[in-house]
Amino acid sequence: QQQVKQSPQSLIVQKGGISIINCAYENTAFDYFPWYQQFPGKGPALLIAIRPDVSEKKEGRFTISFNKSAKQFSLHIMDSQPGDSATYFCAATLQGAQKLVFGQGTRLTINP
Amino acid sequence: NAGVTQTPKFQVLKTGQSMTLQCAQDMNHEYMSWYRQDPGMGLRLIHYSVGAGITDQGEVPNGYNVSRSTTEDFPLRLLSAAPSQTSVYFCASSPTGFGRGYTFGSGTRLTVV
Repeated sequence: QQQVKQSPQSLIVQKGGISIINCAYENTAFDYFPWYQQFPGKGPALLIAIRPDVSEKKEGRFTISFNKSAKQFSLHIMDSQPGDSATYFCAATLQGAQKLVFGQGTRLTINP
Repeated sequence: NAGVTQTPKFQVLKTGQSMTLQCAQDMNHEYMSWYRQDPGMGLRLIHYSVGAGITDQGEVPNGYNVSRSTTEDFPLRLLSAAPSQTSVYFCASSPTGFGRGYTFGSGTRLTVV
């Protein structure tokens, strides 16, 4: 019940296209859903996050869409650029808990 | 302001050896945690601490020990290294402890032969 399932494992998108990464969860006690971006040889860095009382959050080219009834959320990267090539992780935090549960990760490659 | 500093960056151990992975943060964060990253499995929580003197187990704690004697430091000890502990280890800290604003270190790549 504490799992977060992420898909796809890898994704190749042409420059200027839209990258979409999906995550699903089971535990309705999750109350915070961040996305992390990780470049090779680096630690993950917080990219954008959303709470379940909001259906969408946008920051620049990055948008989180959240569907509470379906227990799914997704990351959309508009106008994808080669510099967006990285591994992306979705995550969730249990209400009142002190820890993040991560998805399996998606390796995104943006072809120039 | 260095953030979260992990040492060493790389380490090769023989099976059965012990070692300590160091983690230090200079942001006065209360919450610190250790994750391991393996291909296709995301990041899995090993141990975490909500403040000096307080630690608890995460998802995969077996074979690892931690202690938190100061706010700044949170070392991870491998008691008797096994090949299954070959992984990349990340330390993270947060000011609130609710998963917001996690800052990760750059990682330690450990190989156990």
